[in-house]
Amino acid sequence: AQTVTQSQPEMSVQEAETVTLSCTYDTSESDYYLFWYKQPPSRQMILVIRQEAYKQQNATENRFSVNFQKAAKSFSLKISDSQLGDAAMYFCAYRRGNYGQNFVFGPGTRLSVLP
Amino acid sequence: EAQVTQNPRYLITVTGKKLTVTCSQNMNHEYMSWYRQDPGLGLRQIYYSMNVEVTDKGDVPEGYKVSRKEKRNFPLILESPSPNQTSLYFCASSPEDHGRDQYFGPGTRLLVL
Repeated sequence: AQTVTQSQPEMSVQEAETVTLSCTYDTSESDYYLFWYKQPPSRQMILVIRQEAYKQQNATENRFSVNFQKAAKSFSLKISDSQLGDAAMYFCAYRRGNYGQNFVFGPGTRLSVLP
Repeated sequence: EAQVTQNPRYLITVTGKKLTVTCSQNMNHEYMSWYRQDPGLGLRQIYYSMNVEVTDKGDVPEGYKVSRKEKRNFPLILESPSPNQTSLYFCASSPEDHGRDQYFGPGTRLLVL
């Protein structure tokens, strides 16, 4: 079975600085998708960024970028120019590419942004 | 407005009293899922459905039932709730394209006494 690990239960960053959240996963599949979700105190789940495993280029969305290392099964999220609104729980998630809706989430990293 | 709705948003019940949490989406999505979120465990998939009358177990299906009689609705049924089912529950939907994202509902906070 696939597993997703986030080894940092909590992280903090100064406003305007850069922070990297770690995620590793275990799979024997070659076709899959990886996601980072943000959950602010409102509890709403918000997609931050998505990466297709067949793409070598790392995904980027404004201040958010990933470092996808397929061989190492690593998928870290970098947040640049951190803002107070970035404070939230961040979940890494894995989805098999050719089998419907089977998602696996990591345990989450709580990010605090210090003014 | 494209959305996933869940009802109720908050529920306190007692052990053994059957309950249903409803989920509805207005985006004509094929796929729908239920998750539970517990501290330190992230979100765990309970059941998912790939279309009407097609459902499959996720990672933690014990104690739950689902049905998909209509494309827009995917209710979660707890026939005999127990305290270990106290959790935050999310419904989500997505289109058939495997690369597309899920749309999440606002969550249902359940307390089983």
